[in-house]
Amino acid sequence: GESVGLHLPTLSVQEGDNSIINCAYSNSASDYFIWYKQESGKGPQFIIDIRSNMDKRQGQRVTVLLNKTVKHLSLQIAATQPGDSAVYFCAETGSGSARQLTFGSGTQLTVLP
Amino acid sequence: ETGVTQSPTHLIKTRGQQVTLRCSSQSGHNTVSWYQQALGQGPQFIFQYYREEENGRGNFPPRFSGLQFPNYSSELNVNALELDDSALYLCASSVPGQKSTEAFFGQGTRLTVV
Repeated sequence: GESVGLHLPTLSVQEGDNSIINCAYSNSASDYFIWYKQESGKGPQFIIDIRSNMDKRQGQRVTVLLNKTVKHLSLQIAATQPGDSAVYFCAETGSGSARQLTFGSGTQLTVLP
Repeated sequence: ETGVTQSPTHLIKTRGQQVTLRCSSQSGHNTVSWYQQALGQGPQFIFQYYREEENGRGNFPPRFSGLQFPNYSSELNVNALELDDSALYLCASSVPGQKSTEAFFGQGTRLTVV
């Protein structure tokens, strides 16, 4: 069935370094791929999205790369800060009328001082 | 803050009981989606309501039901609670016609079934 998976459950980086979080997906029909950040006790917060006809999109300190050939999505965070510590989820939009989000299981990013 | 509010924030119920969770959507958003997030997992889509009608449903049994009211607020009802229903329940509001990435999530209701 449709699924979105992550390669690593945890990631620790030094403050100031760049972070790369990876994700594999299986539904080639997805229209958008999205990255969410979830801090403890809060709901997911939108970070950045990319449409399926693009391969790169940049935001403020973040870049999302989409490789449709190998069905791989990555989130790059530049100059990682302590406030970036959270669980990061990749998600994809469904093809039904509800365009529901299908989430992966998440990567815990810890920024070390 | 997203403008999406959920109540209660925490809840403890006994197996077999029924529970109602509530969500107030962001102003102007007439679509509400509900997700279940088990500990250490990503959220899973339960269903979506648009104009007071169910508009899509995930792989959840009929004992999960919902309502949407004219003011776009929504309820999630779960009957015959099971231990595996323990999770964070999230609602997200959005506006149809926009991509679903425009959804805004509330802080969730933590349900514990004992």
